[in-house]
Amino acid sequence: SQTIHQWPATLVQPVGSPLSLECTVEGTSNPNLYWYRQAAGRGLQLLFYSVGIGQISSEVPQNLSASRPQDRQFILSSKKLLLSDSGFYLCAWSVPGSYNSPLHFGNGTRLTVT
Amino acid sequence: GENVEQHPSTLSVQEGDSAVIKCTYSDSASNYFPWYKQELGKRPQLIIDIRSNVGEKKDQRIAVTLNKTAKHFSLHITETQPEDSAVYFCAASTGSSASKIIFGSGTRLSIRP
Repeated sequence: SQTIHQWPATLVQPVGSPLSLECTVEGTSNPNLYWYRQAAGRGLQLLFYSVGIGQISSEVPQNLSASRPQDRQFILSSKKLLLSDSGFYLCAWSVPGSYNSPLHFGNGTRLTVT
Repeated sequence: GENVEQHPSTLSVQEGDSAVIKCTYSDSASNYFPWYKQELGKRPQLIIDIRSNVGEKKDQRIAVTLNKTAKHFSLHITETQPEDSAVYFCAASTGSSASKIIFGSGTRLSIRP
């Protein structure tokens, strides 16, 4: 069966510091991968998605970036965090090449920028 | 791009009553509409989904209806129970190869005992 791992679970970082969140998927090949952000009490905002290694689509221009160095690894990064980057970051995957496939979320990373 | 609007933002119902959450979408090419439930501090989990070639789908106490002409879809929960308390998100996708799924803003459902 497929599993998704996301870490760390919580993170407190000062403004201006770098960020690296990692997500890996097991049990499937070439999954579609996604990063969503959820601000406190808000909805799910799509940040990035990827259909393959090195293929990243950005949905919201900001100081965040994503990379997919391996087939089942998705990384969210920032060179300098802003206060507004605080939130609950969720990685997700869906079945590759299958239209209308549901998302399967990781447990999320709660990021607090101080 | 796709825009999904969800109403109401909060909903309180008596245990045993029904709850209805409504969503509208903007992109007429959207053809996949999942619903997710998120309990406090946890990840969203799929509870039901519907595709554009179907007008209604049921799964025990949960049902979803879709009106493609009007571009809106709804979640119906009958005989609500305390464990139904959570935030519910609707979403829409065009089902392209990227399977980009756009979410509504969420509905916080509270079940009164």
